[in-house]
Amino acid sequence: GAVVSQHPSRVICKSGTSVKIECRSLDFQATTMFWYRQFPKQSLMLMATSNEGSKATYEQGVEKDKFLINHASLTLSTLTVTSAHPEDSSFYICSARDRRDGSNQPQHFGDGTRLSIL
Amino acid sequence: QKEVEQNSGPLSVPEGAIASLNCTYSDRGSQSFFWYRQYSGKSPELIMFIYSNGDKEDGRFTAQLNKASQYVSLLIRDSQPSDSATYLCAVSLTDSWGKLQFGAGTQVVVTP
Repeated sequence: GAVVSQHPSRVICKSGTSVKIECRSLDFQATTMFWYRQFPKQSLMLMATSNEGSKATYEQGVEKDKFLINHASLTLSTLTVTSAHPEDSSFYICSARDRRDGSNQPQHFGDGTRLSIL
Repeated sequence: QKEVEQNSGPLSVPEGAIASLNCTYSDRGSQSFFWYRQYSGKSPELIMFIYSNGDKEDGRFTAQLNKASQYVSLLIRDSQPSDSATYLCAVSLTDSWGKLQFGAGTQVVVTP
């Protein structure tokens, strides 16, 4: 149980392209999903918290107009990297919290999306 | 600035030995603590989580928590080459429900 599907797993595209990444909770409902970014040899950095039916909350230093987040249903959140540039190349990982779980319970992570901007 | 600190390693451990990983955190109000294992190029996978002071054992893994010292550790017994990975310590933040702060990770290398 508690499977999070993230798609696509890998994207290679040209500079200036917008890229959409999907994060789906397959067997549970998630009122809250989180988006992380991880650069090589570094840890996961939280980008934003996505709440179903409301605007995402972005961490300091993350451009909300650059990284558009939509959480339109209890099982799907999307991250769109708009007008991507080489410096946006990174490993993007989503996680989801089961709405039935208490705040102490672990998040469930997707397999990540490796984004490479040429 | 709330922080989670880990020794980056690499921690070299002979096969069959015990690997000991440490993590300190600055947010005194943190209630939940997680250890994740991350293989190169892969997403983190949960190893253990702990809420209460003391030890928690699961198979070859033991998590230890000392809230007074703001310290959490992970022991890996009978280390195997497949345990070679980066281990991330994550701490729940008190100022926002469910948010985690990750340490930089400790690279563990188990040598045959």
